[in-house]
Order: sequence, then structure tokens, then C-alpha cells
Amino acid sequence: EAQVTQNPRYLITVTGKKLTVTCSQNMNHEYMSWYRQDPGLGLRQIYYSMNVEVTDKGDVPEGYKVSRKEKRNFPLILESPSPNQTSLYFCASSFWTGGTRELFFGEGSRLTVL
Amino acid sequence: TQLLEQSPQFLSIQEGENLTVYCNSSSVFSSLQWYRQEPGEGPVLLVTVVTGGEVKKLKRLTFQFGDARKDSSLHITAAQPGDTGLYLCAGTDSWGKLQFGAGTQVVVTP
Repeated sequence: EAQVTQNPRYLITVTGKKLTVTCSQNMNHEYMSWYRQDPGLGLRQIYYSMNVEVTDKGDVPEGYKVSRKEKRNFPLILESPSPNQTSLYFCASSFWTGGTRELFFGEGSRLTVL
Repeated sequence: TQLLEQSPQFLSIQEGENLTVYCNSSSVFSSLQWYRQEPGEGPVLLVTVVTGGEVKKLKRLTFQFGDARKDSSLHITAAQPGDTGLYLCAGTDSWGKLQFGAGTQVVVTP
């Protein structure tokens, strides 16, 4: 089954404790991206990757890091989480199809930073 | 400030009624997508429209892309409880960047 898998789905942590949210896709997509979703703000892009070893900042990259060592995996790293990073996070992947990008999303990771 | 403005923010209707959700912008998009997100899940793509004036139908859902490619609408005929969800529009700008609206929460009660 084609899917994007995120882990963990739920996490409560404390300020400053490093954490990693993993993302893996089995569709051989070149493009992967991380979004955060907050009430009234929609989906905002954190980082994206056009292919292995190629990553770039999205609209809200501060406080986050990513890496793309393999095509299928795109982990999101919070080196020193803060309460304003409490949010619902989504990983997505896609092919680039004729000028538009049809995203496949994971089920989301709800993060609470105390 | 959202590049894509969706209205209304929230819509509650009875089963069998019709509804329309709007997605507006002052910017031109090369394509416009609609996603539906159900509680506890990620958004799922419903449709992509790429041509100004284009109309696409998906069963009881009708999607329209404005002639100037700045706006779009989603119309649901005879809504069912299974149509409940957060509807998100997303536009691809001239640099290939995908921008999302904040979403319209639709609740259809039996």
C-alpha cells in the first residue's frame, strides 16, 4: 500500500529536550516536505527536499532541522523545542507532475512542548 | 496574512442540502488543488484544476477554477455525513511553490 508513515503520532515533551519525528514514504517520490498545522493558519511549510541531499527552507524553518540521506526518509529534528512549536505536523511526498505537485500526506504527529 | 483566503471558515448543514466553499486570492496560480482532511488524518487530494474556467466533477462534488486563475469554488450537492471534514485549497504559484488556505470546516448532520 502506498503510504507516508510518520512517528511518533503523539508526543509530549519538555522545553529543550531534543526530539526527532521520522517520516518514510514507499512511493519512490523525489519531493518530500514538512508542514505544521495550527488553527486559523492552515498548513505552513517548514522545510522541503527536492531529492536526496537537497533540502531548503520553507516559510517557517526557525527551530527546525531536516536531513535527506535516503530517498525514502525525511526526518524532522527539533534541537531545542519550545512551547511555540506545539503543533500538528505533517510530512508529505510527491512526484513533480507537469508543473504541479500532488501531495501524499502522512497521518500527522501531534507535538506538545511543555 | 493568508495568500489564499477561504470562506466560510465554518459551515454546518443538514444532510441533503447543498453547499459551496470559496477560495480567493489576488495572485494568479498555475494550478489549484482541493484537499479534504478528516479528524486524525492527513489531507487527501480531491482534485487538481489547471486551466482558467475549468470545471471538474467528482460524483457530487463540482470544482471550478476562475477564468483569471485567482479563485476557485467547491460545490457539494446533496451533502452526506461522509462529506464532513476540513476542506483545504492549495495554489501553485509561478515559482512552483504550493500555498495553502486556512481551510473550511464542513459539518453535515444526519
